[in-house]
Amino acid sequence: EVQLVESGGGLVQPGASLRLSCAASGFTFSTYAMSWVRQAPGKGLEWVSAISSSGSSTYYADSVKGRFSISRDNSKNTLYLQMNSLRAEDTAVYYCAKDIIGVTGNDYWGQGTLVTVSS
Amino acid sequence: EIVLTQSPATLSLSPGERATLSCRASQSVSSYLAWYQQKPGQAPRLLIYDASNRATGIPARFSGSGSGTDFTLTVSSLEPEDFAVYYCQHRSNWPPITFGQGTRLEIK
Repeated sequence: EVQLVESGGGLVQPGASLRLSCAASGFTFSTYAMSWVRQAPGKGLEWVSAISSSGSSTYYADSVKGRFSISRDNSKNTLYLQMNSLRAEDTAVYYCAKDIIGVTGNDYWGQGTLVTVSS
Repeated sequence: EIVLTQSPATLSLSPGERATLSCRASQSVSSYLAWYQQKPGQAPRLLIYDASNRATGIPARFSGSGSGTDFTLTVSSLEPEDFAVYYCQHRSNWPPITFGQGTRLEIK
């Protein structure tokens, strides 16, 4: 059974840093690209970042470019999102999601972790 | 950046009725479009990938169609569990990947 379990969310002040993790199981993690998607309270879905299966290619939304960094450790089956210089508008539930090879769509999602940026 | 516009914002229907949800892209995305369902407090669930292919385990009452800039998600006969928010997503000429703003399907 495929499982994605996010952790690392919490309440932080503006300007602070946070690292999210996503532990994957039930599939060959190193074969698949992965993504982070967020959802502000009461709002729609926003793509944040994606990483290739090897980790050699990374992609970011303009809203987080230069502040967030996506990475992965295929030996630990874990995806990361390092978030620096956090702003109030980064407050959201952050989901990790598994990509499908050669297809548009994310077939498995974690339950999400809430990040709240507030003074 | 490709903008996806979903309509209507809210759709009020009764169980057993047919639902038709629209997603329009600001430029062609070919067939690089997916549809998701999201219920309160839950993660999104993939329904349709590549515009018209049902994901694993998705009931046959869900179907997707379209290519280029105009796409449709159809639910042939609504079940009580189908009332939720639906999003379209593209992956053409990315980054960025973008989502539509969502259509809320509510019980009439």
